[in-house]
Amino acid sequence: EVQLQQSGPELVKPGASVKMSCKASGYTFISYVMHWVKQKPGQGLEWIGYINPYNDGTNYNEKFKGKVTLTSDKSSSTAYMELSSLTSEDSAVYYCARERGITLDYWGQGTTLTVSS
Amino acid sequence: DIQMTQTTSSLSASLGDRVTISCRASQDISNYLNWYQQKPDGTVKLLIYCTSRLHSGVPSRFSGSGSGTDYSLTISSLDQEDIATYFCQQGNTLPWTFGGGTKLEIK
Repeated sequence: EVQLQQSGPELVKPGASVKMSCKASGYTFISYVMHWVKQKPGQGLEWIGYINPYNDGTNYNEKFKGKVTLTSDKSSSTAYMELSSLTSEDSAVYYCARERGITLDYWGQGTTLTVSS
Repeated sequence: DIQMTQTTSSLSASLGDRVTISCRASQDISNYLNWYQQKPDGTVKLLIYCTSRLHSGVPSRFSGSGSGTDYSLTISSLDQEDIATYFCQQGNTLPWTFGGGTKLEIK
């Protein structure tokens, strides 16, 4: 069974950075690209970018360049997303999701990020 | 970027009703259109990919259709467990973009 287990909620001060994780199981980690998606409270979904764990290749939405860094660790089958220079606009739920072709076939449960002093 | 528009933000229907949710792209997306279901607890699941292909494990009461810029998701007989928000997403061009969502409620 494919599972994406994301790290727990984060409460972080403005200006700080945070790194969240997405641990994959039930499939060969390096065989599938991992995407990240943002959802602000009460709003829609926004594509952030993806990482290919096979070769660590990345592709970012222009809107998130400079804000987000995607990495992965093959040894632990875990994808990571780091957000820097946090503001209240970064408060949201962040999802990781596995790519299959042109779709996202399995999603993590989401990590809630709250940026507040 | 390709804009995805779901003109109906909320929809109320009775159990057993046939429900159709629409999605329009700002340009032709060549059937690279997917539908997702988000439950009130935040859980997101893929329902339909490439316009009309049912994802593994998804009940057959869900179906998708469309072409070009206009697409739709249909639930043939609404079940209590279908209460959720539904999002369309285009996979034709990066950045991938999503519709604003249609929240489905029981009348």
